[in-house]
Amino acid sequence: KQEVTQIPAALSVPEGENLVLNCSFTDSAIYNLQWFRQDPGKGLTSLLLIQSSQREQTSGRLNASLDKSSGRSTLYIAASQPGDSATYLCAVRFEGAQKLVFGQGTRLTINP
Amino acid sequence: NAGVTQTPKFQVLKTGQSMTLQCAQDMNHEYMSWYRQDPGMGLRLIHYSVGAGITDQGEVPNGYNVSRSTTEDFPLRLLSAAPSQTSVYFCASSFQVPGGSGATNEKLFFGSGTQLSVL
Repeated sequence: KQEVTQIPAALSVPEGENLVLNCSFTDSAIYNLQWFRQDPGKGLTSLLLIQSSQREQTSGRLNASLDKSSGRSTLYIAASQPGDSATYLCAVRFEGAQKLVFGQGTRLTINP
Repeated sequence: NAGVTQTPKFQVLKTGQSMTLQCAQDMNHEYMSWYRQDPGMGLRLIHYSVGAGITDQGEVPNGYNVSRSTTEDFPLRLLSAAPSQTSVYFCASSFQVPGGSGATNEKLFFGSGTQLSVL
């Protein structure tokens, strides 16, 4: 079964720290992977999309990497700020599928 | 450019009632989809559409109907609401149909959600 897992479910760090969020997937035959941010009571916002042929994507203080062979992606957040507090979800489109499979998300809290 | 617009934001139904959740996008996206989000279950795909006149079932389609008569609109109908359908519903769209060519346009845009309670 094609599954996406995010551990830990929750993470709390002090402001200013660099941090890494993890996403693992069970099948290395993927087409792409997206990282999303969800604020409480809101919809999801796509942060970064990595194609299977790419190793990483960057947007501002965010950097997402992809290692298909090990079934892992990481989202690196540099110099974290309280405004980064949200739930971060990753979603994978496996080859041959027309839908995304979502992880359960990591709830991130940045403490001032 | 409003993006993906969902209405209503909140709704309370009694068991057996029917209703339609509205979703509209103004980005000329081919692909539209409906998800439900439940604690401990994550996001699950209900139905999706790869273009006007074309719909297909996702993981949890039972109890829901959809239609896509225009590119812009993708309403979700609950025919006879049940307490198990209490959830937060999200509509999402992307320019490119997943699996098609030009896959760099698969970035998914979400609406702000509808919180539905069925009593």
